[in-house]
Amino acid sequence: QVQLQESGPGLVKPSQTLSLTCTVSGGSISSGGFYWSWIRQFPGKGLEWIGYIYYSGSTSYNPSLKRRVTISVDTSQNQFSLKLRSVTAADTAVYYCAKTELQQWLVQWGPGTLVTVSS
Amino acid sequence: EVVLTQSPATLSLSPGEGATLSCRASQSVSSYLAWYRQKPGQAPRLLIYDTSTRANGIPARFSGSGSGTDFTLTISSLEPEDFAVYYCQQRDNWGLTFGGGTKVEIK
Repeated sequence: QVQLQESGPGLVKPSQTLSLTCTVSGGSISSGGFYWSWIRQFPGKGLEWIGYIYYSGSTSYNPSLKRRVTISVDTSQNQFSLKLRSVTAADTAVYYCAKTELQQWLVQWGPGTLVTVSS
Repeated sequence: EVVLTQSPATLSLSPGEGATLSCRASQSVSSYLAWYRQKPGQAPRLLIYDTSTRANGIPARFSGSGSGTDFTLTISSLEPEDFAVYYCQQRDNWGLTFGGGTKVEIK
């Protein structure tokens, strides 16, 4: 089965852009049939879906984050990426990427990466 | 947006006992509900989808039921690895949302 791994800076300054990449191994993003999601988990443990992308580039975003979020895909690298603009301390969380079936079930997750927003 | 409310917040049980976890939706989600288990320091893992279908590799002690707005996850006999936090999740026109979680702790 596929494995996912998040990577990116663990510390971002307020007002800057958070950028993370998810590398998929053991399967091709381009094979289709699945969407690829970003989810975050706040220090108080609540989970929030950020959005997902299909290999074709089609996206869907959480309406509460839509104006600040961009998810993109690089099929040549078998990766997809997250950019979250104008971050504040409230964006401090563990960020996960996940393989998503039928646009709803998060069937495989990466281990997660902690991103702290602080000056 | 559909809001999912899980109860109880914490369940204190002993290994070998059964557990019943509840998830209530603010409006009908048909049968499009999933359950995840999150062990400390790990990512959540899908247990149940479509209300009652076990995901790959999930043992038969886990079962799901319900429809509309009321759903239940049942663990027939708790194993040591089942002491964890459980989340329900649904999808609607606005995307995916999660419940606040139920922690199953050792009594």
